[in-house]
Amino acid sequence: DGGITQSPKYLFRKEGQNVTLSCEQNLNHDAMYWYRQDPGQGLRLIYYSQIVNDFQKGDIAEGYSVSREKKESFPLTVTSAQKNPTAFYLCASSQQGGKNIQYFGAGTRLSVL
Amino acid sequence: QQPVQSPQAVILREGEDAVINCSSSKALYSVHWYRQKHGEAPVFLMILLKGGEQKGHEKISASFNEKKQQSSLYLTASQLSYSGTYFCGTDRSGNTPLVFGKGTRLSVIA
Repeated sequence: DGGITQSPKYLFRKEGQNVTLSCEQNLNHDAMYWYRQDPGQGLRLIYYSQIVNDFQKGDIAEGYSVSREKKESFPLTVTSAQKNPTAFYLCASSQQGGKNIQYFGAGTRLSVL
Repeated sequence: QQPVQSPQAVILREGEDAVINCSSSKALYSVHWYRQKHGEAPVFLMILLKGGEQKGHEKISASFNEKKQQSSLYLTASQLSYSGTYFCGTDRSGNTPLVFGKGTRLSVIA
């Protein structure tokens, strides 16, 4: 079955630590996205990539970094510069040139110890 | 520019109807609707392309008024399974990331 796999489901970060969230898709989609979800805030865009080896900042990129070395993978690193990382992180993908329908992974819940 | 959704929350009894609105101040190419259960991924419901079309999905349908840049989601004869948070996502060109509203929390009670 095609889909988007995020891991881990739960993640804990210590002060000063960088952590990486994994996102893999086997839908052969060109574009991938990372969103942050806080209660009452909806989904806010962190980074997105429309092609391998290229990515753009979203609305809240500060304190985060990404890479896109393979079409199917788009990992997100939450750096120590992100002072309020506790949130639900969602990865999505879509096919460019179509209706741009985004499909989401099951999410990673990040908490600070 | 984040679209504005209304209402923020609504409580229904089984069998009642509801309307959720999504408004944008910018011209749109399409509007997408998603439903999210607590702690789960948002699930795609339907897409409305500019042109004012109306689409349906079981007892859930939607419309898009291009002149007003407003979309409405209609839930008829609500079921317990309809509970969740509904998000609209707007697309200005067909090739850019969706911008999501803050969501409407729908609770259906027996």
